[in-house]
Amino acid sequence: QSVLTQPPSVSGAPGQRVTISCTGSSSNIGAGYLVHWYQQLPGTAPKLLLYGDINRPSGVPDRFSGSKSGTSASLAVTGLRAEDEAHYYCQSYDSSLSGPVVFGGGTKLTVL
Amino acid sequence: QVQLQESGSGLVKPSETLSLTCTVSGGSIRSYFLTWIRQPPGKGLEWIGFISSSGSTIYNPSLNSRVTISLDRSKHFSLNLTSVTAADTAVYYCARGVPDRFEFDYWGQGTLVTVSS
Repeated sequence: QSVLTQPPSVSGAPGQRVTISCTGSSSNIGAGYLVHWYQQLPGTAPKLLLYGDINRPSGVPDRFSGSKSGTSASLAVTGLRAEDEAHYYCQSYDSSLSGPVVFGGGTKLTVL
Repeated sequence: QVQLQESGSGLVKPSETLSLTCTVSGGSIRSYFLTWIRQPPGKGLEWIGFISSSGSTIYNPSLNSRVTISLDRSKHFSLNLTSVTAADTAVYYCARGVPDRFEFDYWGQGTLVTVSS
């Protein structure tokens, strides 16, 4: 069981907007620690998608955005495209015995 | 462009030691956290541990007694995991961790290690 909780799957039609939640606790997201997001395309290594809650590395489209409130964070994907179909993972720092690095269980995004 | 490449045995017998090496090229490792992460088939990501460029290590508490990560100054760092079982079968990734924020900005392609007799 992951320290950060994500929905196993989300889906949306091309052009739509979807969000993926990442729920933590007072020892990680709720303590103000930064949240990072990764995209894993089938058969490949994870790729950094967002860092520091809201920042996009060079080359990541602005269709991907992040937010955080309380003990949760969210990844939003707008203008959904077929190539966005992948697994998405959140990650944060944790000050409890589970840490310091913790991942969410991952969410499979399906483009209908 | 920073590149990381894992190498090592893809098949390890139960109770033996898993050993992998990661080679970093095209960029600095100074000040970064050199990290191992694994992913069992069909499952999510699990952080194993990291080593700083000064040689300090921090390990996942659930693996702490079996893990050793070491650093070679010539841009190689290694993972040793002792007393492996089938539950240690996974794709093992090395990655570069950014100081203070702890995100992983560059990853190796990953290497599958199977534990089987």
